[in-house]
Amino acid sequence: GAGVSQTPSNKVTEKGKYVELRCDPISGHTALYWYRQSLGQGPEFLIYFQGTGAADDSGLPNDRFFAVRPEGSVSTLKIQRTERGDSAVYLCASSYRDTQYFGPGTRLTVL
Amino acid sequence: RKEVEQDPGPFNVPEGATVAFNCTYSNSASQSFFWYRQDCRKEPKLLMSVYSSGNEDGRFTAQLNRASQYISLLIRDSKLSDSATYLCVVKVGTDKIIFGKGTRLHILP
Repeated sequence: GAGVSQTPSNKVTEKGKYVELRCDPISGHTALYWYRQSLGQGPEFLIYFQGTGAADDSGLPNDRFFAVRPEGSVSTLKIQRTERGDSAVYLCASSYRDTQYFGPGTRLTVL
Repeated sequence: RKEVEQDPGPFNVPEGATVAFNCTYSNSASQSFFWYRQDCRKEPKLLMSVYSSGNEDGRFTAQLNRASQYISLLIRDSKLSDSATYLCVVKVGTDKIIFGKGTRLHILP
């Protein structure tokens, strides 16, 4: 079956703009995670969904970041008023029995 | 103290050699442990879970030491294709997943 997909694969935006990053998890996986990875670092936890609800959003860096998963499947990570420091690869993973299955990521560049 | 700590490396190891890395974790309530592999510009993929009794998968052996709060990964007879970043992953509570920064491994021909 299909794996986790993320769109777009690359996003270049200007400082101050709004962006949306989409994640389509593996069908049937109820748990979905968002991470941010900068060069030379491991994935940094942002938020975790169990079904439609955010079970843990303690990793979101500030209130410019928000994520939704309205129907318990596709999730969207939304970043308002982007800053250059937001530039990173944003990874999504869905989880089954403790194994995380990652998407290819969205590379966000804020100019 | 960081929640999950790893030596970033790089470890430069000749092909055929044995290499081992450790990872320490700070939260004694951590319940599950994993090693993930990440190739350059690719997403992480599960290499193996780490059980209390230790586990082996071919050339790879993982061990957990709860008393000292560390896990280890041993790679025997290393191959060029083992070159990657190895991420230590700890699950705290029911669902919080924490990644280490990774250890870079270069296998030299």
